[in-house]
Amino acid sequence: TQLLEQSPQFLSIQEGENLTVYCNSSSVFSSLQWYRQEPGEGPVLLVTVVTGGEVKKLKRLTFQFGDARKDSSLHITAAQPGDTGLYLCAGAGRNAGNMLTFGGGTRLMVKP
Amino acid sequence: SAVISQKPSRDICQRGTSLTIQCQVDSQVTMMFWYRQQPGQSLTLIATANQGSEATYESGFVIDKFPISRPNLTFSTLTVSNMSPEDSSIYLCSGSNRAGNTIYFGEGSWLTVV
Repeated sequence: TQLLEQSPQFLSIQEGENLTVYCNSSSVFSSLQWYRQEPGEGPVLLVTVVTGGEVKKLKRLTFQFGDARKDSSLHITAAQPGDTGLYLCAGAGRNAGNMLTFGGGTRLMVKP
Repeated sequence: SAVISQKPSRDICQRGTSLTIQCQVDSQVTMMFWYRQQPGQSLTLIATANQGSEATYESGFVIDKFPISRPNLTFSTLTVSNMSPEDSSIYLCSGSNRAGNTIYFGEGSWLTVV
């Protein structure tokens, strides 16, 4: 069974601060996805990283996939109240089916 | 991105009854999955919906409790049978793209069992 440890579980920060969310595993993933979920909605895909060492930027969000494809991070610069939500990392295994293993989630609150 | 729609979006159900959730995906989706998200928690895979055959269930989930159908490539149903308050959850339909490296989600079906 592949496990993904996501940290921190909860994060409450002031508008304008920076933050990093980590996703770690002892397993290798063929790809890793980051999702954001707001109350009352399903998870919305933010990014997919596939190559070890890959860095992707989405405005103020920077996503990195570890060289060994076992870990990933999400860094948010100058957080805004609109960034508030549940952030989920999910790894796709190499086995058939591409089923996702989800991390436990990071609940972020950005206070104005 | 793929379009995934599911219904109902929300329902309140009586204990002991069953409810069927429907999911429609567009043609970009190849594989379909059903997840459960209990209040305040992350997502747990229930099963992979296989077209024209029995679903593949994850540990802890059984067909008698969560029968799943996928009669064609773009449609699947999940039934939550003989519901109890512990089944109160968000049930999410998802599908993977043709490349198999990205999974998209529907907006979820919020079930409350009273």
